[in-house]
Amino acid sequence: ETGVTQSPTHLIKTRGQQVTLRCSSQSGHNTVSWYQQALGQGPQFIFQYYREEENGRGNFPPRFSGLQFPNYSSELNVNALELDDSALYLCASSLPTSGGSTDTQYFGPGTRLTVL
Amino acid sequence: AQSVTQLDSHVSVSEGTPVLLRCNYSSSYSPSLFWYVQHPNKGLQLLLKYTSAATLVKGINGFEAEFKKSETSFHLTKPSAHMSDAAEYFCVVSDQRYSSASKIIFGSGTRLSIRP
Repeated sequence: ETGVTQSPTHLIKTRGQQVTLRCSSQSGHNTVSWYQQALGQGPQFIFQYYREEENGRGNFPPRFSGLQFPNYSSELNVNALELDDSALYLCASSLPTSGGSTDTQYFGPGTRLTVL
Repeated sequence: AQSVTQLDSHVSVSEGTPVLLRCNYSSSYSPSLFWYVQHPNKGLQLLLKYTSAATLVKGINGFEAEFKKSETSFHLTKPSAHMSDAAEYFCVVSDQRYSSASKIIFGSGTRLSIRP
C-alpha cells in the first residue's frame, strides 16, 4: 500500500509569484484535503476534493485553488503569493463515509513554502 | 459551529510517569474526534479516533482517550511516558453530517516534552 506523497518538499518563492503543489493520494482513496500549517500553529483546513469536485472550503481567499485528477492525485495552486503564505502545506487522503463525508485522514509529509 | 480547545500549549513529564493532554470541543452535531501526533520534520500520524462507538478509545503506542459528552472533553492519556513520545499532539473535531462536506478543525497543539 502506497502512502500519501507530496512534491516538492521545499520551495522558495517571492511575493506576487504563483506556486503549484502536488499530492498523490494513498491507493484507493478518492478524497483529498489540503491544509496550511503556519509555524507553531495547528493545520488550517483549506479545501477538500471528492471525485474531482470541490467538497468543502475553509476560510481562504479565491487565490487558493485546487484540482483533483481522475487518478485522485491533486494540486494546490496559490496565486499572488504573500509573505503570510509561508507555511507547511499538508495534503491528506481518505475514503468517504456515507454521504461523502470524511473518515480518517492519512497525511503526507508536507511541502514547506517560503515566500520572500 | 464547531471548535476545539487544547488547554495546554506545553506539557513536560518525566520518563515513566503518566501523560495527560487535555482537549475540549464544541459541536452542534455528533462529532468525530481524533488525536494526531506530529514528530519534527514528519507528517501527522493518527493516534486514535472516536466515532460514536465505545467512549474509551485505545490507540497506538499505548495511548488512549475517553469521550465524555457531559464535559465535552476528549483527553489523551498514557500510563507511562517514553522518550520517543516527545512530539506535538493535535486534537481534531469533525462533524459527520450526511450529504455535507466535512469540516475538520484542528486544535492549536500541545507540545509534549519528556524529561529523562
